[in-house]
Amino acid sequence: DQQVKQNSPSLSVQEGRISILNCDYTNSMFDYFLWYKKYPAEGPTFLISISSIKDKNEDGRFTVFLNKSAKHLSLHIVPSQPGDSAVYFCAAINAGGTSYGKLTFGQGTILTVHP
Amino acid sequence: KAGVTQTPRYLIKTRGQQVTLSCSPISGHRSVSWYQQTPGQGLQFLFEYFSETQRNKGNFPGRFSGRQFSNSRSEMNVSTLELGDSALYLCASSFGTGSDTQYFGPGTRLTVL
Repeated sequence: DQQVKQNSPSLSVQEGRISILNCDYTNSMFDYFLWYKKYPAEGPTFLISISSIKDKNEDGRFTVFLNKSAKHLSLHIVPSQPGDSAVYFCAAINAGGTSYGKLTFGQGTILTVHP
Repeated sequence: KAGVTQTPRYLIKTRGQQVTLSCSPISGHRSVSWYQQTPGQGLQFLFEYFSETQRNKGNFPGRFSGRQFSNSRSEMNVSTLELGDSALYLCASSFGTGSDTQYFGPGTRLTVL
């Protein structure tokens, strides 16, 4: 039962353009969402998060949008840089419940930014 | 501030053996969560500890266990290793409330032969 889905296994973008990574979830109890970036043989690095009481959060080049009715979130990276090339994971948690520490992850999207 | 550290970084074991992995959280963090990453199943939640108590557990067999010490350091143990236990084991620490960001360590790569 895949409660968090990233339907695009890979995305290729030109340097300077926008990268849009998508994520869908099915569990309506999820109320906090995070994006992580991961390089091979390293642990995930936190990028940005959003609470379900918001529909947008920005941090520098990274913006996350949340559409609760569609159970969909997206990560926008503008402008994209070659150093952004990595695997991006969407994660969700029921922060208000008893799912202590339990992040549910999507399968990841490999982003490649070409110079 | 130092990040999350995990030891060892790499481990090779044979079937039937047991293994203990260690995680030191960021200073001040009291929650430690453990995850298993495999190519087929992705990142899966194992369990979470807060103030030496297990508060949550994922869907893994009882061969997977853990504990947390008074200094918030945590260990996980896998007994009677199987080939399918080969994976990257990640720990993450946070302050411990639901919306706190979890920060991950570099992981321990376990290979079971």
